[in-house]
Amino acid sequence: EPEVTQTPSHQVTQMGQEVILRCVPISNHLYFYWYRQILGQKVEFLVSFYNNEISEKSEIFDDQFSVERPDGSNFTLKIRSTKLEDSAMYFCASLRDGHNYEQYFGPGTRLTVT
Amino acid sequence: AQSVTQLGSHVSVSEGALVLLRCNYSSSVPPYLFWYVQYPNQGLQLLLKYTSAATLVKGINGFEAEFKKSETSFHLTKPSAHMSDAAEYFCAVRRNAGNMLTFGGGTRLMVKP
Repeated sequence: EPEVTQTPSHQVTQMGQEVILRCVPISNHLYFYWYRQILGQKVEFLVSFYNNEISEKSEIFDDQFSVERPDGSNFTLKIRSTKLEDSAMYFCASLRDGHNYEQYFGPGTRLTVT
Repeated sequence: AQSVTQLGSHVSVSEGALVLLRCNYSSSVPPYLFWYVQYPNQGLQLLLKYTSAATLVKGINGFEAEFKKSETSFHLTKPSAHMSDAAEYFCAVRRNAGNMLTFGGGTRLMVKP
């Protein structure tokens, strides 16, 4: 069964460093998402991406964050200058089309900022 | 705006007992509702979804949920708990546009032998 994959599974970085989290959505899906889950808290929406552009973003997704689909398969989340409070599990999700509603989530990348 | 409340951050049941995980939603339009399960060190897996068809929705692993508009609820049930059901369960509502999800706080289900 097709699945969403994410790399790395765990990333440790120092405050102020840039990180790129990578996702490979399911191949025929058209909508892509990033969510994050700070330890012990809710899963929160960050950004959605469709047709090579951001379709919606939350207030969390400030200028330090960016997303890109550099080729036909990868979907990346970049944090330019990490802060301690960026430590969280980041989930990528994809959706086949606007009528299906069933988002498929990847296993997540645990980001630890020290 | 849509929101989701899950009553009980931790629920403990005995193996073979009924599982009931509560979810209440707030939505200004007919909602699309989801239950996801997260096993330790894994991602979120869709258990079931309600998209305005039948109000009783059956999902994977013997779980089902009933949409009750009058109670704004979408509680998750399973008649008989298995040890393998121990996990964290999230209720979510789809926002109006863009299909992004708003999640509840999650309920950790523990199953005692």
